[in-house]
Amino acid sequence: AQTVTQSQPEMSVQEAETVTLSCTYDTSENNYYLFWYKQPPSRQMILVIRQEAYKQQNATENRFSVNFQKAAKSFSLKISDSQLGDTAMYFCAFTTQGGSEKLVFGKGTKLTVNP
Amino acid sequence: NAGVMQNPRHLVRRRGQEARLRCSPMKGHSHVYWYRQLPEEGLKFMVYLQKENIIDESGMPKERFSAEFPKEGPSILRIQQVVRGDSAAYFCASSPNRIGLAQETQYFGPGTRLLVL
Repeated sequence: AQTVTQSQPEMSVQEAETVTLSCTYDTSENNYYLFWYKQPPSRQMILVIRQEAYKQQNATENRFSVNFQKAAKSFSLKISDSQLGDTAMYFCAFTTQGGSEKLVFGKGTKLTVNP
Repeated sequence: NAGVMQNPRHLVRRRGQEARLRCSPMKGHSHVYWYRQLPEEGLKFMVYLQKENIIDESGMPKERFSAEFPKEGPSILRIQQVVRGDSAAYFCASSPNRIGLAQETQYFGPGTRLLVL
């Protein structure tokens, strides 16, 4: 079975500091894609960052970057210079290549950025 | 380019009534996915559709739930004879018909919050 585990139900960070959210996954597939989505209090699902499993280079989007360790099946999200607007639920997800590309989500990490 | 549209945003139904949730994908997107989010949970896949075809409905409950994506118009998720356990947020996502990461990236609508009284 394909699963995603986010081991930190809640985290907090001070404004302007850096925080890392962890994610591990389990799949027997070799080709897949990984995502982090943000869900603020409005509950809209917003794509934060994405990564192809065949790429060794870690994806970066402004203050957001990932540490992708394929052998360890780990895909952590680092948020630099945290802002109050980063307060949200963060969901890690993956999908396999080809066919029905449903996303498999973790249970999420609730991040609070404190002033 | 308008995002994924869902309506209604909030829907209240009494037990036994029918709920119809609508989703219009982003322009140029031909793949539609429905997910359900229970309180304090992540999203769970329900069904994947392309125009006029159900590709994967492995996440759909066997009874009372159905989905369609007609040639013209939005995708519809229909729940018949709703029960309290159907209360949840239902999200629609769409992706474009291109190969690789672009195809695999799903963009979500704002969701429909269904409350069954």
